[in-house]
Amino acid sequence: EPEVTQTPSHQVTQMGQEVILRCVPISNHLYFYWYRQILGQKVEFLVSFYNNEISEKSEIFDDQFSVERPDGSNFTLKIRSTKLEDSAMYFCASSEMTGDTEAFFGQGTRLTVV
Amino acid sequence: KNQVEQSPQSLIILEGKNCTLQCNYTVSPFSNLRWYKQDTGRGPVSLTIMTFSENTKSNGRYTATLDADTKQSSLHITASQLSDSASYICVVSRYNTDKLIFGTGTRLQVFP
Repeated sequence: EPEVTQTPSHQVTQMGQEVILRCVPISNHLYFYWYRQILGQKVEFLVSFYNNEISEKSEIFDDQFSVERPDGSNFTLKIRSTKLEDSAMYFCASSEMTGDTEAFFGQGTRLTVV
Repeated sequence: KNQVEQSPQSLIILEGKNCTLQCNYTVSPFSNLRWYKQDTGRGPVSLTIMTFSENTKSNGRYTATLDADTKQSSLHITASQLSDSASYICVVSRYNTDKLIFGTGTRLQVFP
C-alpha cells in the first residue's frame, strides 16, 4: 500500500542551526502539506503546496520556514534558524485532490532543538 | 473562532466493550469532518470522512455520525480490541481552504 515516508525519524539540532526535513509523498498525489505537533498539544497546520507553489500557510509559517519540491518525488521543509520552541513532531501529508479527499500522513520527524 | 473540542479527554475500557467518543466544532463554513486514529509517536491514520450531507459512515468496527445542524459528531467503536488503544482525533475542514483543524483527541486505552 502506498505511503508517505519521512526522513529522518528523529533530528537533534542546536538552536540557531538550519534543518531540512524530508518527505516523499504518495506518487500520484498533487497536494502536499506540513503539520506540526508540539508534545502534548494538538496537530497544527503549517503550509499546503500545489503546482510548485504555496497555496496556503498559517501564521506559524513565518520567514524562518520554507518549503520546496526539489525534484519529482521529494517535498522538504526547511527551518532556517531553529528556536527551542520549534521542537515538535513534524508531519508531512499528501492528497490526490483538495477538499473532501483523504489526506495521508507520514510517520513524522521528531525535531529536538537544544 | 474555528475550534474543535473533544470529550472525554481519556477513556479506559475493557476489551470487547463498546465506546462512543464525542466531538463538537465551531468551524464555519463547514466542508467536511474526519476522524483519525493516532498511535503514540506515529502519524494520524484516516478512519472516516463525512461531508455536510452525510450523517453516518462506517469503517469496520468504527461508525461515525454527524449532525451538521448542532455541529456535533461521534465515533462509536464496537467490540473493542487491544489494538484500538490510541488517540482518536476529530478533524474539521473549512470550505475553500486546505487547512485541517484538529481537535485535542481522546486517548483510549483498552485493557484485557
